[in-house]
Amino acid sequence: QVQLVESGGGLVRPGGSLRLSCAASGLTFNDYYMSWIRQAPGKGLEWVSSISRSNSYTNYADSVKGRFTISRDNAKKSIYLQMNSLRADDTAVYHCARDRIPYSYDSHGRPSPSMAFDLWGQGTMVTVAS
Amino acid sequence: EIVLTQSPATLSLSPGERATLSCRASQTITSSLVWYQQKPGQVPRLLIYDTSNRAAGIPARFSGSGSETDFTLTISSLEPEDSAVYFCQQHSKWPLLLTFGGGTKVEIK
Repeated sequence: QVQLVESGGGLVRPGGSLRLSCAASGLTFNDYYMSWIRQAPGKGLEWVSSISRSNSYTNYADSVKGRFTISRDNAKKSIYLQMNSLRADDTAVYHCARDRIPYSYDSHGRPSPSMAFDLWGQGTMVTVAS
Repeated sequence: EIVLTQSPATLSLSPGERATLSCRASQTITSSLVWYQQKPGQVPRLLIYDTSNRAAGIPARFSGSGSETDFTLTISSLEPEDSAVYFCQQHSKWPLLLTFGGGTKVEIK
């Protein structure tokens, strides 16, 4: 069964840290760009971060840059999100998601993900409150 | 950063009617537009990629169109199961940045 399963969420105080994990199964994990996307309760979707197949390229939303770090371990078929200096507005369900196209590169040999997500995990809830 | 504005916020229509959802970008989109459907308690489901291509398993009543700053998701004949929130999304390359619209809620009368 092809699936993504997140873990690591919980309640944390402002200024605290959490590390989220996303474990993949049933897919050739290292073929795909992977991303974290969050959704605050009752709100819309917000892209957080993405990582290339080989950890070479990472990208972040301005709202988390300098505080969050994305990484992956292809041997463990997992991606991670280290979240530091957490704020109340980081409260959300955090989903990991798979890019639709494996092995996508541009004419310069750089990764060129489609950034259309065809597989999502159920998410893990992060609550930042005192 | 490109801002995506979706309208209307809510659309209330009867089964069989045509739904037209708008997604307007604050500047020309150089990559492509994506649409998702999200039902209550569920994760988003990819509907349309590259502006007009249906994802695997998506019924033909869903179609996407548009260019530059104006994009549309059309549901040609609404079914009761189409009740959901629909989000548009775009991304820019180098640096990679991705934004979502605020969503349109489709209600079936």
